[in-house]
Formats: sequence, C-alpha cells, structure tokens
Amino acid sequence: AQSVSQHNHHVILSEAASLELGCNYSYGGTVNLFWYVQYPGQHLQLLLKYFSGDPLVKGIKGFEAEFIKSKFSFNLRKPSVQWSDTAEYFCAVTPASGTYKYIFGTGTRLKVLA
Amino acid sequence: GAGVSQTPSNKVTEKGKYVELRCDPISGHTALYWYRQSLGQGPEFLIYFQGTGAADDSGLPNDRFFAVRPEGSVSTLKIQRTERGDSAVYLCASSPGVGETQYFGPGTRLLVL
Repeated sequence: AQSVSQHNHHVILSEAASLELGCNYSYGGTVNLFWYVQYPGQHLQLLLKYFSGDPLVKGIKGFEAEFIKSKFSFNLRKPSVQWSDTAEYFCAVTPASGTYKYIFGTGTRLKVLA
Repeated sequence: GAGVSQTPSNKVTEKGKYVELRCDPISGHTALYWYRQSLGQGPEFLIYFQGTGAADDSGLPNDRFFAVRPEGSVSTLKIQRTERGDSAVYLCASSPGVGETQYFGPGTRLLVL
C-alpha cells in the first residue's frame, strides 16, 4: 500500500534558522508530490508541487523542495525561517494516474520562536 | 476568486444521529474529493467525484457513509447512525480536472457525543 512518512512530528526553531522537513513515500510508480501548509486557524494551502522536470522545486514564501527519486524523498527546505512560518506542514503524494487521490503524511508541527 | 467552501464549519451531534456535510467547490472544477482528518493525523481520502459520478469511493470506511454530487457541482457527505469514532474534520477539495492540483476548503469539524 502507498504511504508517506514524515519523520519529524514537532520542530522548534529560532528565527533565521534553516529548516529541513523530511518526507519519504512508498510507491513504485510515477508520482506527483506536494507540500501543503496549514497556518493556525486556516485551511490547507499549497506550498509547492512537483509533477515532472527539474527535481528542485521552488514554492511560495521562500520554500523549496527536492525530489530524489532513488531515495523516494521530497524534503522541504527554507534557508531562514520567520515567526510567521509557524504552522503544520503536510507532505502528500499521488500516483500520476487513476483518481489522483492524495496520500498524506501525518504532518510536522513547526514552531518558530521570535 | 472564491475558494472551496464548506458548511457547517462545526457540527455537534449525538451518537446515532444522521448528519449532512456540504461542499461548494471552486466554480468550474470538475473533480471533487472528500478527506477525513482525525486528531494528530494527516487527511485520509474518502471519495472522489469526476462530474456527477463517484469515480472512487474506496476510502469510505463503511456503508454508513455516503456522498452525492447530483449536478456536478455541490457535494454532500452523509453519515448515518453516527458513532463517536466519526469525530474528525471532514475536508473537501476540488481541482480543475483529474490530476491537477487540489484546493482545499476550511473543513467541517464534526463532534459526535
């Protein structure tokens, strides 16, 4: 069965620190990959996505992610976090065929200290 | 433009009651998805509509759960004989077509007492 693992459940950083959140998936075929963010009291919003092409994807608010096919990974990075990045981050994978239903990880809660 | 909207935002019901949760997708989006998010978990797929038909309902946990999308726009998720374990946030998402990025609504928080 397809699955997504986010190994860091809670992360606490100080402002200006660098961020890397891990995401690994299990699926043997072609996939589309996403990172969504949920700010406190708000709904899920798309940060970035990978469908094909350059495996280094840049998203909104300075976030980027790198798809490493050999490692089944799609880690999220940001060089310098801000207090406003405090949120929960979800990695999602969908097979690139069929119904394209998302398989989500359990999420990572990021708290950035001012 | 308007995003995905869901009503009600919160629903409290008693065990054994029937509930309906509504989703208004982004205008023109043909694909509609329902997910359920339990505390501390990521969203889990329930059902997918392409147009009016349920193309994949493999995520519905049992036959107490049913969803419709009669005119290919608004969708209603129906839960019969609710149980305490049904308490969760129910999310709706829509996309312009199958395989395209999904846009999520704010969810309906269901609490079954």
